[in-house]
Amino acid sequence: GAGVSQSPSNKVTEKGKDVELRCDPISGHTALYWYRQSLGQGLEFLIYFQGNSAPDKSGLPSDRFSAERTGGSVSTLTIQRTQQEDSAVYLCASSLRGGGYTFGSGTRLTVV
Amino acid sequence: GENVEQHPSTLSVQEGDSAVIKCTYSDSASNYFPWYKQELGKGPQLIIDIRSNVGEKKDQRIAVTLNKTAKHFSLHITETQPEDSAVYFCAASKIASYDKVIFGPGTSLSVIP
Repeated sequence: GAGVSQSPSNKVTEKGKDVELRCDPISGHTALYWYRQSLGQGLEFLIYFQGNSAPDKSGLPSDRFSAERTGGSVSTLTIQRTQQEDSAVYLCASSLRGGGYTFGSGTRLTVV
Repeated sequence: GENVEQHPSTLSVQEGDSAVIKCTYSDSASNYFPWYKQELGKGPQLIIDIRSNVGEKKDQRIAVTLNKTAKHFSLHITETQPEDSAVYFCAASKIASYDKVIFGPGTSLSVIP
């Protein structure tokens, strides 16, 4: 497609369960980013991937969070043993070098 | 690391008036400054950006200015319309290194008809 696709759009999970969030970037975009946005808050950087380079994981809040990017395209953000404070909108973006981000619509995660 | 501050946090203007949002950044090596608009329930959308070799850029009713010496940059929206109501984020990064973009905390703009 023409845009960044994220799935699911909404996810409700029980505390302690694992969740996987998927991001399908724009074809040809070499960089992929994950951000987290809590209710009414700004955008918190989590992790980014650029080509074959090692990902920048400096924003991951704990070792319960991990992400992969397979084949330089689709990315999956995994949260293990979810906690209520993990509830937020998880946004994915992709870009070309030197360009602005194109964001997906996000996955709204609710941990109950 | 980079830190971006943004003011005001909320802004309310009458339709037709101008709106100005101001940001400061901390890392003098930052050279790319995008602005994003986020409507309710959607991801942020890039509306305009400026690079450090340019002092001002315009696109119809929106303009951005950059003062590298003071590490300030601003978004100006003229002739505001109700559809301009949204949350606006400024951001900064180092473009050549593919560095991650650091966002300001956002400004909620309301345009009153």
